[in-house]
Amino acid sequence: SAVISQKPSRDICQRGTSLTIQCQVDSQVTMMFWYRQQPGQSLTLIATANQGSEATYESGFVIDKFPISRPNLTFSTLTVSNMSPEDSSIYLCSVPATYYGYTFGSGTRLTVV
Amino acid sequence: QKEVEQNSGPLSVPEGAIASLNCTYSDRGSQSFFWYRQYSGKSPELIMSIYSNGDKEDGRFTAQLNKASQYVSLLIRDSQPSDSATYLCAVNPTNTGNQFYFGTGTSLTVIP
Repeated sequence: SAVISQKPSRDICQRGTSLTIQCQVDSQVTMMFWYRQQPGQSLTLIATANQGSEATYESGFVIDKFPISRPNLTFSTLTVSNMSPEDSSIYLCSVPATYYGYTFGSGTRLTVV
Repeated sequence: QKEVEQNSGPLSVPEGAIASLNCTYSDRGSQSFFWYRQYSGKSPELIMSIYSNGDKEDGRFTAQLNKASQYVSLLIRDSQPSDSATYLCAVNPTNTGNQFYFGTGTSLTVIP
């Protein structure tokens, strides 16, 4: 399966600022997915990022708050904008695995103070 | 009603015992089902997939699917302390494309 390098692994940010999370995949993939995992909660899909087109956002998530870039088939970024303490979560990128299921990046643990 | 429901636990079993993890889902037309293991502070790791009714075995793990009853389970035989983790059930409902719904996970502790 693809290997995903995600960074930063963690960060503590001031409210009102923005953080950009990067995911680099060691092979070309058509689709990349961004998830959020709030404390004690399940994973929630934020958006699907396809190369060459705008990301598709799930209900409850908007581009102004979570802009996504997908400049090529191996890289994507998710920005968490104008952060508030409610944005404190683990953010994960994911790509389809070779045979079935999905592979996740190592995650970014974000704390907003 | 949540799309995917799991008992959050914690579930504790002694080393060597069978751990049984259960998951129910709401979309009767769902076709793909996955179990992920997530160690504390780590990202989820895919351990099993199942698509057809019945059992699927892989080493010490057995996934069981019953579409009529809308549940999927994971059995871990000969449980080891290294199996202590949170286990997430993921379901791909019909007509959602690549959307997977995850349960909140069941925390498993294997006691040496």
